[in-house]
Amino acid sequence: DADVTQTPRNRITKTGKRIMLECSQTKGHDRMYWYRQDPGLGLRLIYYSFDVKDINKGEISDGYSVSRQAQAKFSLSLESAIPNQTALYFCATDSRIGTGELFFGEGSRLTVL
Amino acid sequence: AQSVTQPDIHITVSEGASLELRCNYSYGATPYLFWYVQSPGQGLQLLLKYFSGDTLVQGIKGFEAEFKRSQSSFNLRKPSVHWSDAAEYFCAVGDDYKLSFGAGTTVTVRA
Repeated sequence: DADVTQTPRNRITKTGKRIMLECSQTKGHDRMYWYRQDPGLGLRLIYYSFDVKDINKGEISDGYSVSRQAQAKFSLSLESAIPNQTALYFCATDSRIGTGELFFGEGSRLTVL
Repeated sequence: AQSVTQPDIHITVSEGASLELRCNYSYGATPYLFWYVQSPGQGLQLLLKYFSGDTLVQGIKGFEAEFKRSQSSFNLRKPSVHWSDAAEYFCAVGDDYKLSFGAGTTVTVRA
C-alpha cells in the first residue's frame, strides 16, 4: 500500500458542485500539504498543516478549504467548483524534522465542466 | 520572493547519451534546493537535495546536481540516460517547509 493515499484518483464534476479530495498517510508525519499542478506552471501550494490545530494558506488558497481530521488525514474541499479549478491535485507529507523531502500521493485528477 | 526557472520545457535525448537539465532560482538567503522526478501517472519523488556543504550533490538513479551560487543555478546531470529516465523533472527552492517549484522539464528518451 502507498504511504500517501489520495481519493478519488479521478473525478469529473460540474460547475457549482461541492467536491472533496481526501488524503491519508501512514508515514506518521505531522506536516501535510495540498498542491495543485497545471501544465507549464509546476506545482503551487494551496494549503499546508503542521498539526491538527495548525492550518495555513498557501499561495493559491482562494476557492479552496481544508480540514485536518487527524494527524493522518487532510482533506481539500472546493465549495463551488469552477472550470479553472480543473487540475491535478497532490497531497504530500513531510516530517517535522525538516529533511526537506516531501512524500507525494499519486494525485487526484479533477475536471470541472 | 522565491522563484524557480526551468528554461527548457522539453528535452529529447538518446539512450546512453548524457543529460543536463537547467534550473535557475531567486531566493533571498542561502536556499534549500531540490530536484524531483514525476513518472507518468505517479506522484513526485525526490532525486536529490542541497542544504549546505559540498556543492556537488549525488542523488538516486545515478543523478547528480551542482549548486553554483554565483550563477544562482542548480543544474541536474546524468552521464548516461536509460529509457526509464523518461519523465518530468521539477526543480524546487525554499526553506524547509515552503517550496516553490519550477514549471518542469519533460524528458523524452529515444532508442
